[in-house]
Amino acid sequence: KQEVTQIPAALSVPEGENLVLNCSFTDSAIYNLQWFRQDPGKGLTSLLLIQSSQREQTSGRLNASLDKSSGRSTLYIAASQPGDSATYLCAVDSGGSNYKLTFGKGTLLTVNP
Amino acid sequence: DTGVSQNPRHKITKRGQNVTFRCDPISEHNRLYWYRQTLGQGPEFLTYFQNEAQLEKSRLLSDRFSAERPKGSFSTLEIQRTEQGDSAMYLCASSPSRDSPLHFGNGTRLTVT
Repeated sequence: KQEVTQIPAALSVPEGENLVLNCSFTDSAIYNLQWFRQDPGKGLTSLLLIQSSQREQTSGRLNASLDKSSGRSTLYIAASQPGDSATYLCAVDSGGSNYKLTFGKGTLLTVNP
Repeated sequence: DTGVSQNPRHKITKRGQNVTFRCDPISEHNRLYWYRQTLGQGPEFLTYFQNEAQLEKSRLLSDRFSAERPKGSFSTLEIQRTEQGDSAMYLCASSPSRDSPLHFGNGTRLTVT
């Protein structure tokens, strides 16, 4: 059974800092991994999707890396802004006939002006 | 692309009543998921449709929950004989392929009194 853990559960940083969010998963035989952002009371917005054959993906100030062998992914946010404040979730597709994505509990990020 | 639409946004019901939620995915997205999310937790998988076929259903889902996707377009999720433990945000998501990011709706918040 795939389990996804995100550390830390909450993070507060001053504006302008670079930061790293961590995601670990127990079964390294994954199909892909996605990072999402969720604002309070809203649905999830996809940020980055990394296929199992890829090492990293970049979009603007965001960079996500994937190390399947160690069961880890990181989301790097450069030059953080108050608008980045949200909960960040990672989700793993374990592949095969197991279609569901397994989510972590998320990291609540607060960027202070 | 008008996004994933979920109705209603909020539903308050008394214990023991039946409720039905609707999800309209992005057109031509053949993959559709239902998730449930409670405060401080990541989304929990409920069920997955590929076109009109329900290919995966969570073992945690009781017989009171049923979902349909007639004609492979919109989907409905029905909860019979609601219990207070059913109070949660119910999220719908769609995607055109397994290699594409999931697009989530803003959810239906259910409160069972």
